[in-house]
Amino acid sequence: DGGITQSPKYLFRKEGQNVTLSCEQNLNHDAMYWYRQDPGQGLRLIYYSQIVNDFQKGDIAEGYSVSREKKESFPLTVTSAQKNPTAFYLCASSRISTRTQETQYFGPGTRLLVL
Amino acid sequence: RKEVEQDPGPFNVPEGATVAFNCTYSNSASQSFFWYRQDCRKEPKLLMSVYSSGNEDGRFTAQLNRASQYISLLIRDSKLSDSATYLCVVRGAAGNKLTFGGGTRVLVKP
Repeated sequence: DGGITQSPKYLFRKEGQNVTLSCEQNLNHDAMYWYRQDPGQGLRLIYYSQIVNDFQKGDIAEGYSVSREKKESFPLTVTSAQKNPTAFYLCASSRISTRTQETQYFGPGTRLLVL
Repeated sequence: RKEVEQDPGPFNVPEGATVAFNCTYSNSASQSFFWYRQDCRKEPKLLMSVYSSGNEDGRFTAQLNRASQYISLLIRDSKLSDSATYLCVVRGAAGNKLTFGGGTRVLVKP
């Protein structure tokens, strides 16, 4: 089946620890995105990538890092510099198109909790 | 002012009733509009795109009012399974970036 997978479903982070969230897609989409969702709030863009080996900061990139070595994969690292990392992290992908109705599709998410 | 604003609700709806809610956006150059549905602790899923002429998908009707910069979603004959948070999503004038509203929570009760 085509889709987006994220792992793990739940992740616990200790103080001062870096953790990496996995995101893989087999939809052959060029663009991939990472969002953070806090309770009762909308999604906020962390990083996005439109092509392999290139990515751009979103609205809240501080304390996060990404890589895009393969088209299918876009892992997110939450570094110790992110002081409030507890949130629901969502990965999405899309085609790159001038078609106005092109939109994004989401993976099941990773819930990160700080111990 | 937030780029995309929604009434957080909840909208408590009797089963079988009709419910409608709006979303306002601030950027008049916005190109595309969508409604996503998000169930509790799950990922958002595309419900429907919103076309300039308005569009209907079964019991769901979406409208766009560019002059007043809002979109609306109407749900007819509400089902218990319609209980969810509905996210208003706007695509800007350039690129594929989307801006999400905070969501409107709908609770359908027997």
